Amino acid sequence: AQSVTQLGSHVSVSEGALVLLRCNYSSSVPPYLFWYVQYPNQGLQLLLKYTTGATLVKGINGFEAEFKKSETSFHLTKPSAHMSDAAEYFCAVMSAGTALIFGKGTTLSVSS
Amino acid sequence: NAGVTQTPKFQVLKTGQSMTLQCAQDMNHNSMYWYRQDPGMGLRLIYYSASEGTTDKGEVPNGYNVSRLNKREFSLRLESAAPSQTSVYFCASRGLIVSYEQYFGPGTRLTVT
Repeated sequence: AQSVTQLGSHVSVSEGALVLLRCNYSSSVPPYLFWYVQYPNQGLQLLLKYTTGATLVKGINGFEAEFKKSETSFHLTKPSAHMSDAAEYFCAVMSAGTALIFGKGTTLSVSS
Repeated sequence: NAGVTQTPKFQVLKTGQSMTLQCAQDMNHNSMYWYRQDPGMGLRLIYYSASEGTTDKGEVPNGYNVSRLNKREFSLRLESAAPSQTSVYFCASRGLIVSYEQYFGPGTRLTVT
């Protein structure tokens, strides 16, 4: 069975600092992995996804993530945080039934 | 394209009342999903429909029923609401294309008193 663990329910960074949000997964089949962002009182928006091919994937708003099979990880990074990046971020893995299994989320705070 | 739409946006129910949450998508997607979001729990799958005419239980189906009315619409029904069903409900859809991306609606915030 697939599962997702997001390390750290809250991450705080200063504007301009590196953003690193951690995600580890377990899957018995080659995984399809996703990062979604949720701004307050809104739905979820896809940041980026890994299905096959290049293990470093780039998404919207300057985010990227690297699929590391040996570490079963899919960490999300952004070189320089912006105030507008403050939101909740969810890592997800696609299950065999095509539904998504989500991590519990990481709230990113950005201070000036 | 409106994408995925949900109605209502907000709802307050008393314990024991029933209601139906509506979801529609205009992207000609085959698969549709209902999730609930609770603080610190992420999103959990309630029910899904892989194609028109089929529905399957997810992780937390108790207390809910669903109907895939046609390819566009997928409704979620609470027959007898309980305070434990206070949550934010999201509908999502997904097509058959290789990207596997799910598209989410804006959510329905439900409070059961």
